[in-house]
Amino acid sequence: DQQVKQNSPSLSVQEGRISILNCDYTNSMFDYFLWYKKYPAEGPTFLISISSIKDKNEDGRFTVFLNKSAKHLSLHIVPSQPGDSAVYFCAANNPNSGYALNFGKGTSLLVTP
Amino acid sequence: DAGVIQSPRHEVTEMGQEVTLRCKPISGHDYLFWYRQTMMRGLELLIYFNNNVPIDDSGMPEDRFSAKMPNASFSTLKIQPSEPRDSAVYFCASSSGRARQPQHFGDGTRLSIL
Repeated sequence: DQQVKQNSPSLSVQEGRISILNCDYTNSMFDYFLWYKKYPAEGPTFLISISSIKDKNEDGRFTVFLNKSAKHLSLHIVPSQPGDSAVYFCAANNPNSGYALNFGKGTSLLVTP
Repeated sequence: DAGVIQSPRHEVTEMGQEVTLRCKPISGHDYLFWYRQTMMRGLELLIYFNNNVPIDDSGMPEDRFSAKMPNASFSTLKIQPSEPRDSAVYFCASSSGRARQPQHFGDGTRLSIL
């Protein structure tokens, strides 16, 4: 069963606006979350992470928010750029499972000029 | 710096044939992961190694799949015999053992079994 869910398969945003990508999880043991970005014919590339002891982590245009009570996290990209067009994967780690990551199925973001 | 290197990038073979996928992790990384990506199941972990030793192979679908890591700079994922349902993109990733370091992925092998 899918423990990490990205319910929006796709999202289209205008250049300069905010992109918000959402992710829900079901396993309360997850305590570390990551976002990866993937271009076609390439492997996923690490973008940003957050530990469950925080509720926000920021890196340049990218901010991840974590709401533990709702088991929900989101990735905000501000401002969005055409080069941000890619598939974004949310991933989570349960420390009891070692270093294994559980991935969502991804959200395809299209940033239009 | 060289990233994770996978070969071949594409493989097309007939059902029943043996398939071997190869991975060279980033130098100095002591964790290596094999993932499979399909439309139905997304990205799923097959197996991972620490210091060349398999730690968790619970994601390996069946006995037709096997993975080895004979040394710190090389790993293989073998499917024998291959079946059409094995068609997928297979990714290798590596990471440092320091706490909570992200995994770095190769560009994958697109496998098609006819």
